[in-house]
Amino acid sequence: SQKIEQNSEALNIQEGKTATLTCNYTNYSPAYLQWYRQDPGRGPVFLLLIRENEKEKRKERLKVTFDTTLKQSLFHITASQPADSATYLCALGPASGGSYIPTFGRGTSLIVHP
Amino acid sequence: GAGVSQSPRYKVAKRGQDVALRCDPISGHVSLFWYQQALGQGPEFLTYFQNEAQLDKSGLPSDRFFAERPEGSVSTLKIQRTQQEDSAVYLCASSLIGLAGGSSYNEQFFGPGTRLTVL
Repeated sequence: SQKIEQNSEALNIQEGKTATLTCNYTNYSPAYLQWYRQDPGRGPVFLLLIRENEKEKRKERLKVTFDTTLKQSLFHITASQPADSATYLCALGPASGGSYIPTFGRGTSLIVHP
Repeated sequence: GAGVSQSPRYKVAKRGQDVALRCDPISGHVSLFWYQQALGQGPEFLTYFQNEAQLDKSGLPSDRFFAERPEGSVSTLKIQRTQQEDSAVYLCASSLIGLAGGSSYNEQFFGPGTRLTVL
C-alpha cells in the first residue's frame, strides 16, 4: 500500500540555522508533491509545490527538492526564525492518471529556539 | 471574510448524539473538500464536492457520515450516532476550480477546523 513517512520526532534547531525536513514515500509515483505549514488550532497553509520533472524549487527562505529515484523530498528553511516553529506536512499529488486527491503525511514538528 | 470559515470551532458530543459541522468556503470556489485529522496525524480525505455534486465520498469511514453542499457553496458534514473514535479535527478546504483528474492541481485553502470530542 502507499505510504508517506515524515519524522515523527520534533526537530529542534537554533535560530539562524538551516532546518531540513524529510518526506519519504513508497509504492507511489506522484505527479507532484506539496509542503504545507500547520500551526496549532489552524488548518494547513500551502507553501510550495514541486512537480515530478522538477529537481528543486525555491521561495524566499524555503527550498524543496524532489528525488523521484530515492522517492524523497527535502524541505529546507534557511536562516530559521522562532516564527518558523510549526508542523510541516508533505502531501503527494495524484499519480499520473490516478485520483486527484492529495495524500498527506503526518507532519514533522519544527521548533526554532532563540 | 476572505478565507474559509468553519463552525462551530469546538463541539463536545455525548456518544450516540448526532452532530452537524458547517463549512463556508471562499466565495466562488468550485471545489470543496472535507478531511479528518486525528491528533498527531495528517489530514485524511473524507469527501469532495465540485459545486453541488459530490464526486468522491470514498474516504467517509461509515454510513454514519453524510455530507452535502446543496447550493454549491456552504457545506455541512453530518455525523450520526457519534462514537468515541469520531473524535478528531474536521477540516474543510476549498479551491478555485474543479479537478479534472490526473495530474491537474489547484491550491487548497483550509479552514481552521472543528474539533469534535465525543465523550
